[in-house]
Amino acid sequence: GAVVSQHPSWVICKSGTSVKIECRSLDFQATTMFWYRQFPKQSLMLMATSNEGSKATYEQGVEKDKFLINHASLTLSTLTVTSAHPEDSSFYICSARLGQGPEKLFFGSGTQLSVL
Amino acid sequence: AQSVSQHNHHVILSEAASLELGCNYSYGGTVNLFWYVQYPGQHLQLLLKYFSGDPLVKGIKGFEAEFIKSKFSFNLRKPSVQWSDTAEYFCAVTPNTGGFKTIFGAGTRLFVKA
Repeated sequence: GAVVSQHPSWVICKSGTSVKIECRSLDFQATTMFWYRQFPKQSLMLMATSNEGSKATYEQGVEKDKFLINHASLTLSTLTVTSAHPEDSSFYICSARLGQGPEKLFFGSGTQLSVL
Repeated sequence: AQSVSQHNHHVILSEAASLELGCNYSYGGTVNLFWYVQYPGQHLQLLLKYFSGDPLVKGIKGFEAEFIKSKFSFNLRKPSVQWSDTAEYFCAVTPNTGGFKTIFGAGTRLFVKA
């Protein structure tokens, strides 16, 4: 099956620093990738849709200047949490879509971010 | 706003017990429905899906789900669980409006006692 690699799997950083999370589709090209965030006992919340070669589309309430998304190639999307604060601590997960349909969604293993 | 509600955060069962995990969604239009599973230490993976046709769909590992349109529900079932079914299960909905943005429930953690 298609594989999506997400790195790092966990990261601890100081408040005010920036953290970059990578999402790679290893054996397929993904024109669309998605970034989600999950708080304990809550849903996976869609943050943004990342389209290769164009600006990401952010969901309502997500600060685009804080969560920078870059989808520079068909196999790589990055999420940068800028000037991280403790309230940004969360589980971030990416997914990549194979093809155009809604069903072929493959997930990374997630990144646990802890901001001190 | 569209949402997906899963009824239980945690479920504990003994092996061979029957399983039913509830899922309800709020969206008035046509939807695609999914159940994903995440085994400990692994990625989320698709368990089964419903697009159209027979509302009772069968997935991998003996799981099935039934779409009841009038109840906006898509409950997951398995007649006899095994210890290896211990995992977190996510119900998800993709409104058929283009863009195919998937909305997830909060997940249900299932622990099966051997």
